Amino acid sequence: QKEVEQNSGPLSVPEGAIASLNCTYSDRGSQSFFWYRQYSGKSPELIMFIYSNGDKEDGRFTAQLNKASQYVSLLIRDSQPSDSATYLCAAPGANSKLTFGKGITLSVRP
Amino acid sequence: GAVVSQHPSWVICKSGTSVKIECRSLDFQATTMFWYRQFPKQSLMLMATSNEGSKATYEQGVEKDKFLINHASLTLSTLTVTSAHPEDSSFYICSAVGLSTDTQYFGPGTRLTVL
Repeated sequence: QKEVEQNSGPLSVPEGAIASLNCTYSDRGSQSFFWYRQYSGKSPELIMFIYSNGDKEDGRFTAQLNKASQYVSLLIRDSQPSDSATYLCAAPGANSKLTFGKGITLSVRP
Repeated sequence: GAVVSQHPSWVICKSGTSVKIECRSLDFQATTMFWYRQFPKQSLMLMATSNEGSKATYEQGVEKDKFLINHASLTLSTLTVTSAHPEDSSFYICSAVGLSTDTQYFGPGTRLTVL
């Protein structure tokens, strides 16, 4: 059974720092991953998806995928208080069904 | 692009009544929509997968006769909570997947309170 694990957290960083969020997965066949952000009381919002090994950058966000080590990470540069949220890592399976990690709660201190 | 709406955004109802929640993909066609439920400070829980024109597939432990799902078109799925009880009070969220992608886009959610 496909598993996605996010074991670290909660994470607290000062404003302006780099926040590093990590996720590991069990299914070597997983080809793509999604990062969602969920503010308290709101629904998840797609931040990034990554299909290829290596890095993918979008503004202050960088997703990193290492298929050999079976981990995917999300780096947030110049963290802002507005980045404070729960970040969910997810891997798609059959019929686009997502397997989510339990999430990492990030707090950015002003 | 890839906007998903839900209606209503919140609803309060009396115990024993039924509540219908709509999920619409506004700018794309969605062959598959998903319904989730989330209790406070807990993870998203997938309730069912809804494919256009066919019966929904429910996750283990989710009562299909209580949570009726209809996916009548490529842009609309509905979830009806029948004979709602206070324990059904939760945040219900839908998501939609486009025709040529596996990316799920989430609606804003519907907060249901059953008195």
